[in-house]
Amino acid sequence: DAKTTQPPSMDCAEGRAANLPCNHSTISGNEYVYWYRQIHSQGPQYIIHGLKNNETNEMASLIITEDRKSSTLILPHATLRDTAVYYCIVRPEGYGNKLVFGAGTILRVKS
Amino acid sequence: NAGVTQTPKFRILKIGQSMTLQCTQDMNHNYMYWYRQDPGMGLKLIYYSVGAGITDKGEVPNGYNVSRSTTEDFPLRLELAAPSQTSVYFCASSYGTAGRMNTEAFFGQGTRLTVV
Repeated sequence: DAKTTQPPSMDCAEGRAANLPCNHSTISGNEYVYWYRQIHSQGPQYIIHGLKNNETNEMASLIITEDRKSSTLILPHATLRDTAVYYCIVRPEGYGNKLVFGAGTILRVKS
Repeated sequence: NAGVTQTPKFRILKIGQSMTLQCTQDMNHNYMYWYRQDPGMGLKLIYYSVGAGITDKGEVPNGYNVSRSTTEDFPLRLELAAPSQTSVYFCASSYGTAGRMNTEAFFGQGTRLTVV
């Protein structure tokens, strides 16, 4: 499975957009990009996923570069409740593969 | 719809004791996973299963055993508890099949285990 690289921490002002980068330069054609977040000590929560097109849902937007070697998760109007650890994961389609988490990015939203 | 349910929520074990962490899901997912998360650290995969009767090791399987006799249940067994197994344990489930994207994973609320 492709490895991902994320900055260890980022700060964002409340109400501003939070842009969280992820590098996955060894991603394969059948691997999807998933984002999860973990608020304090709760179980991780799914945010969004994509293959090669940009995606948007009620929580966030996902921008994947044309060569698919990196992506950015965008929280358009960050709130204090968005303070969490954000995990970028790449995982192939199909059957029999693992779901492995890296270290993630600690996002601190400040008032 | 309960999702993924873990029991117990908290447990204190003495060194050398055994216990089973229970995990059940009601979404008919074929994948189930066990993770541990030490304080201030990320999640480490202990074991996972792609369906009833099939389990495989993750990143940190030593000291643990699993079984998957039904689609719904995926218990994690600690045979001889050690202080190094003090952690928060998360169970998760998802669906995946050949040629298709794996669905999002749903997580339980965790079991906080202390070994003294």
